[in-house]
Amino acid sequence: SAVISQKPSRDICQRGTSLTIQCQVDSQVTMMFWYRQQPGQSLTLIATANQGSEATYESGFVIDKFPISRPNLTFSTLTVSNMSPEDSSIYLCSVLDSYSGNTIYFGEGSWLTVV
Amino acid sequence: GQQLNQSPQSMFIQEGEDVSMNCTSSSIFNTWLWYKQDPGEGPVLLIALYKAGELTSNGRLTAQFGITRKDSFLNISASIPSDVGIYFCAGPHSGTYKYIFGTGTRLKVLA
Repeated sequence: SAVISQKPSRDICQRGTSLTIQCQVDSQVTMMFWYRQQPGQSLTLIATANQGSEATYESGFVIDKFPISRPNLTFSTLTVSNMSPEDSSIYLCSVLDSYSGNTIYFGEGSWLTVV
Repeated sequence: GQQLNQSPQSMFIQEGEDVSMNCTSSSIFNTWLWYKQDPGEGPVLLIALYKAGELTSNGRLTAQFGITRKDSFLNISASIPSDVGIYFCAGPHSGTYKYIFGTGTRLKVLA
């Protein structure tokens, strides 16, 4: 399976600021996704990061709040904009592995705490 | 929309005991994935299921794809302390590769 690296792994952020999370994959992948996991909760899909075009957002998530870039087949970024304490979550990058039954694999996650 | 409900929500078991958990959906799935998440880490894929009735093992873990295609089961035999964590099921939105996740089962093993 692909090796997925996320940066930062953990950060404490001030209210009102923005933070960009990077996701690097060690091989080219067709589909990349961003998930959010709020404290004690399950994973919720934020958006599909599309290479060369705008991301596709799920209901309840908007581009102004969570802008996403995907300049190539191995890299993506998620920005959490104008943060509030409600944005304190784990943000997870995942990739679709089409060579092993269309399973998805995750990075270690980026733990954000907004104060 | 599609929802995945997992049961039980949490469980305490004695080391050495077998564990069973399940995942149910309001709609049909053609793939079921089971993950384990340890504290401070991302989910790790345990088992993938692709066909109704399929039974697949990974060491002490066995998962089954329900015949109705609306449920899946995960069993852990002879539990050990490192089995502690949260177990999630996941399935794709119909016709897509966008996976939705279950509510999770939190497992705690008493030594």
